[in-house]
Amino acid sequence: DQQVKQNSPSLSVQEGRISILNCDYTNSMFDYFLWYKKYPAEGPTFLISISSIKDKNEDGRFTVFLNKSAKHLSLHIVPSQPGDSAVYFCAARSYNNNDMRFGAGTRLTVKP
Amino acid sequence: DTAVSQTPKYLVTQMGNDKSIKCEQNLGHDTMYWYKQDSKKFLKIMFSYNNKELIINETVPNRFSPKSPDKAHLNLHINSLELGDSAVYFCASSQNGPWKEQYFGPGTRLTVT
Repeated sequence: DQQVKQNSPSLSVQEGRISILNCDYTNSMFDYFLWYKKYPAEGPTFLISISSIKDKNEDGRFTVFLNKSAKHLSLHIVPSQPGDSAVYFCAARSYNNNDMRFGAGTRLTVKP
Repeated sequence: DTAVSQTPKYLVTQMGNDKSIKCEQNLGHDTMYWYKQDSKKFLKIMFSYNNKELIINETVPNRFSPKSPDKAHLNLHINSLELGDSAVYFCASSQNGPWKEQYFGPGTRLTVT
C-alpha cells in the first residue's frame, strides 16, 4: 500500500528556473514530512522537513509547502542549479512511530 | 568522520548462503534502521532498533535478523539467501522521538546469483 506517492518519475528544468516536486500521502496520521536527495551509489541525504503544525518551511533555495487538507506537499527549489540533479524522495511519518514511509522518488535533471 | 557507515559496499553471493552487512553510526543516535530498496527503487523499512529493543518489524522473512551489539551498531544477518533478496540495503539512524530526521549510510548492493 503506497501511503506516499510521487506521481512524477522525472522532471527536467533549466538552470536558474524553479523546480517543483510534488508528493501526496494517504495516511492522515502522518504529521512529519521530509525530503531526501539521493545521488547514484550514495545513501539518501536529508534535505528539509516540515511538521504538520506548519504549512511552509524554508531553507535557503529550498522551500517545502504542506497542504494538510489536500494531503499534499511540494518542494520548491529556486534557483535550480545543475548540482541539484538527483533523485528526490518524499517521506512521511507519524508522531508516535519511527516508521517512515517513502515515495518512489522523482529524478530531477537541471540543464545548464 | 563518516556519520553512518556500512560494509561491505558490494556483496555478491550464491543462493543458500548466509551473509551479514555491518552498520555503524557515530552520531550518538538512539535508533537505527535497515531499509531495502528494491528493483523499483522503493525504499521500504525492514527493522528499527531503539536501545537494543526491536520496535518495528515489517513483513520481513525471518531469514533476516538484525543484531545490535551496542547503540552504535546494527548489523543485518541474512540466512539462506534467495534470488529475490538482491537489492540495495541502507542503514540509517536518528534520535528517538517525533520530528527527527534519519541519516542514511551509503548502501550495500547485494546480488544473489
